[in-house]
Amino acid sequence: DQQVKQNSPSLSVQEGRISILNCDYTNSMFDYFLWYKKYPAEGPTFLISISSIKDKNEDGRFTVFLNKSAKHLSLHIVPSQPGDSAVYFCAAANTGFQKLVFGTGTRLLVSP
Amino acid sequence: EAGVAQSPRYKIIEKRQSVAFWCNPISGHATLYWYQQILGQGPKLLIQFQNNGVVDDSQLPKDRFSAERLKGVDSTLKIQPAKLEDSAVYLCASSRGDQETQYFGPGTRLLVL
Repeated sequence: DQQVKQNSPSLSVQEGRISILNCDYTNSMFDYFLWYKKYPAEGPTFLISISSIKDKNEDGRFTVFLNKSAKHLSLHIVPSQPGDSAVYFCAAANTGFQKLVFGTGTRLLVSP
Repeated sequence: EAGVAQSPRYKIIEKRQSVAFWCNPISGHATLYWYQQILGQGPKLLIQFQNNGVVDDSQLPKDRFSAERLKGVDSTLKIQPAKLEDSAVYLCASSRGDQETQYFGPGTRLLVL
């Protein structure tokens, strides 16, 4: 039962352009969403989060959008940089339990 | 501030052998998590500790996996006996509390032959 889905295993973008990573979830009890970035041979690193009371959260070049009716969230990276090349995981939680459920990840490659 | 430490970084064993992983969380973090990440999948929570008590171990295969967090600091995760399907990266994470951002260690990559 895949409650959090990232349907694009990979994404290639040119430096300076926008990267859009997508995530869908099925459990309507989820009310807190996070994005983690993972480099090879390292653990995931927290990037940005959003609560279900918001529909947008920004942190520098990173913006997360939440569409609760569609059970969809996306991460926008503008402008994309080669150092952003990594695997990005979407995760969701019910804040009552704070048990994170992760998606399968999207590998982003930003080429110079 | 030192991050989450894990050892060993890599381990190769044969099926039916036992193996143990160690995790040292960020100082002062009360909550500790063990995740299993199989190739091509996202991390899956195995067990969550709050100080030295277990909060959630619903996805821990208790017939072969065990974990402890003595004194509410370091933790060990053990597999006995290992199966081929246990080949994965085992990630440890910690957070200040159970509703705080989780910080991950580098993981232990296990290969069971």
